[in-house]
Amino acid sequence: DTAVSQTPKYLVTQMGNDKSIKCEQNLGHDTMYWYKQDSKKFLKIMFSYNNKELIINETVPNRFSPKSPDKAHLNLHINSLELGDSAVYFCASSPRGAYNSPLHFGNGTRLTVT
Amino acid sequence: KQEVTQIPAALSVPEGENLVLNCSFTDSAIYNLQWFRQDPGKGLTSLLLIQSSQREQTSGRLNASLDKSSGRSTLYIAASQPGDSATYLCAVKGDFGNEKLTFGTGTRLTIIP
Repeated sequence: DTAVSQTPKYLVTQMGNDKSIKCEQNLGHDTMYWYKQDSKKFLKIMFSYNNKELIINETVPNRFSPKSPDKAHLNLHINSLELGDSAVYFCASSPRGAYNSPLHFGNGTRLTVT
Repeated sequence: KQEVTQIPAALSVPEGENLVLNCSFTDSAIYNLQWFRQDPGKGLTSLLLIQSSQREQTSGRLNASLDKSSGRSTLYIAASQPGDSATYLCAVKGDFGNEKLTFGTGTRLTIIP
């Protein structure tokens, strides 16, 4: 009964490839996020979607494109992978408008680009 | 631009001791502050959320305080246990309902049995 689930857990790929990470939440939340955690464990937001609408888009290369087919899913597609994309990517969700509700995180996808 | 700092980066204490983790932020215009726990290979688990109008929140052996004017928060853990070993992160949400959380770099806590 995982609340926020990401697949795959590990992803190893070569430079230049295109890959996708999937995220699903069964909490009924309207808002979903993608965060990137670098090698120094620093977490930074990349995107936020509210009921399939993009509301936050930080300074992220155009190679990263989020896609939300419905409010329970937020997938992350990455084109032309680079070495610097290696990191752990976390999906999260929260209720819409509930500014004082905590985020619920998935277990992360460790991406390694060789 | 909000910056969140957590010192120390790592902390080891014997089992049973009480301890305090620190978090400081540069912009006091926050909506709330959250403390999370991250276990190796896992996502973040929310521990406590303090609204900007609150001074502290308690959950079991955990107590979080907030001094918004000075830009500081502490997480107090009483009677530490080996299972408390993890990385603890604080994050602040900007004012006016800004959806974005700014995270600190975390404190890696090790409880020595």
